[in-house]
Amino acid sequence: EAQVTQNPRYLITVTGKKLTVTCSQNMNHEYMSWYRQDPGLGLRQIYYSMNVEVTDKGDVPEGYKVSRKEKRNFPLILESPSPNQTSLYFCASSPYQIGQGDRNEQFFGPGTRLTVL
Amino acid sequence: AQTVTQSQPEMSVQEAETVTLSCTYDTSENNYYLFWYKQPPSRQMILVIRQEAYKQQNATENRFSVNFQKAAKSFSLKISDSQLGDTAMYFCAFMNYGQNFVFGPGTRLSVLP
Repeated sequence: EAQVTQNPRYLITVTGKKLTVTCSQNMNHEYMSWYRQDPGLGLRQIYYSMNVEVTDKGDVPEGYKVSRKEKRNFPLILESPSPNQTSLYFCASSPYQIGQGDRNEQFFGPGTRLTVL
Repeated sequence: AQTVTQSQPEMSVQEAETVTLSCTYDTSENNYYLFWYKQPPSRQMILVIRQEAYKQQNATENRFSVNFQKAAKSFSLKISDSQLGDTAMYFCAFMNYGQNFVFGPGTRLSVLP
């Protein structure tokens, strides 16, 4: 089944304790992205990657790191989590090709609910 | 930077009626894509409809259609024959060719029996 998976789905942690949220897709997509969702703000893009070893900052990258060593994986790293990073996180992937508009759909993972105490 | 605005935080509609959700955006680019996503209580993000800015024809997907006004930078979603399963948060989203993806704050739609 074509899908984007995230782990863990739920996580409660404490301030300053490093954590990683994994994201994996099995659709051979070029593009992957991370978002956080907060009430009243919609989804905001944290980082995105257009290909292996290529990553770019989104609108809210502070306090986050990412890496894209393999095409299928795009982990999100919080080196020193703080309470303001409590949020719902989504990973997404897309086949994306310029000019191929019909393929520019993002497939979302199920979300990770993170609470930082 | 691009911005997406959804001016209706909450809306309700009677089952079988038609409802229109508003979305406006701001960009200086000429080529881009627009999307509507649905997020039911399960929190899963589901693509409802997409529109390419270079296409003048409005996109339709069964009961869902858009009114794309490029000059006005407006992209509204019309849901016809509303069903209880349409109850969800709806997000308007913008994507430029550089892959920067921007979402609006969302509209919570309730379909009433």
